[in-house]
Amino acid sequence: ETVLTQSPATLSLSPGERATLSCRASENVKNYLAWYQQIPGQAPRLLIYDASNRATGVPARFSGSGSGTDFTLTISSLEPEDFAIYYCQQRENWITFGQGTRLEIK
Amino acid sequence: QLQLQESGPGLVKPSETLSLTCGVSGGSISSSSDYWGWIRQPPGKGLEWIVSTYNSGSTYYNASLKSRVTITLDTSKNVFSLKLNSVTAADTAVYYCATRQYIQSNYFDHWGQGILVTVST
Repeated sequence: ETVLTQSPATLSLSPGERATLSCRASENVKNYLAWYQQIPGQAPRLLIYDASNRATGVPARFSGSGSGTDFTLTISSLEPEDFAIYYCQQRENWITFGQGTRLEIK
Repeated sequence: QLQLQESGPGLVKPSETLSLTCGVSGGSISSSSDYWGWIRQPPGKGLEWIVSTYNSGSTYYNASLKSRVTITLDTSKNVFSLKLNSVTAADTAVYYCATRQYIQSNYFDHWGQGILVTVST
């Protein structure tokens, strides 16, 4: 099973700041990695797929990068609605999710 | 735009079978997408993929759940279903159905709202 490890577990930032979230895979997943946003009580929302492609309707402040085993989700300037939990997911070896990063208001 | 809605019992007894249905609206299950899946989330925890299936019939399972899981597509009713047998308290979770519509890759860009299923006597 491909294990995805996300860091940090919790990130405390203020609106307007830049957020950088990390996802590390236990083996090479090529660029087959996605990022989801989940607001508590809601279903996840796809943000980024295949490492760097924004999903339909996702604001340009969200960007993804990486390949192989190391991936990054960047939010260039945080808006109040961005404070949520973020999960990465790989599709190279079946499907697995990371444990999540909670982005909270500082 | 596709919309998904889970339905089924919110309480299941240990050792019994959990049965959920995902109703698809806004399009046909046989033509609007070719990839359907179930994902669950225990209370306060992260996401766990359960199973995915294609309209072609190819199906892929989380290895840890494979022996207990069945997924079916019913094109006549425009729904797909999940059965998980021999449940225990560890199967208590919010269950989501999901699909892809605007992407070709095996991710999920459309999700149901989720349904909480509790396993308890």
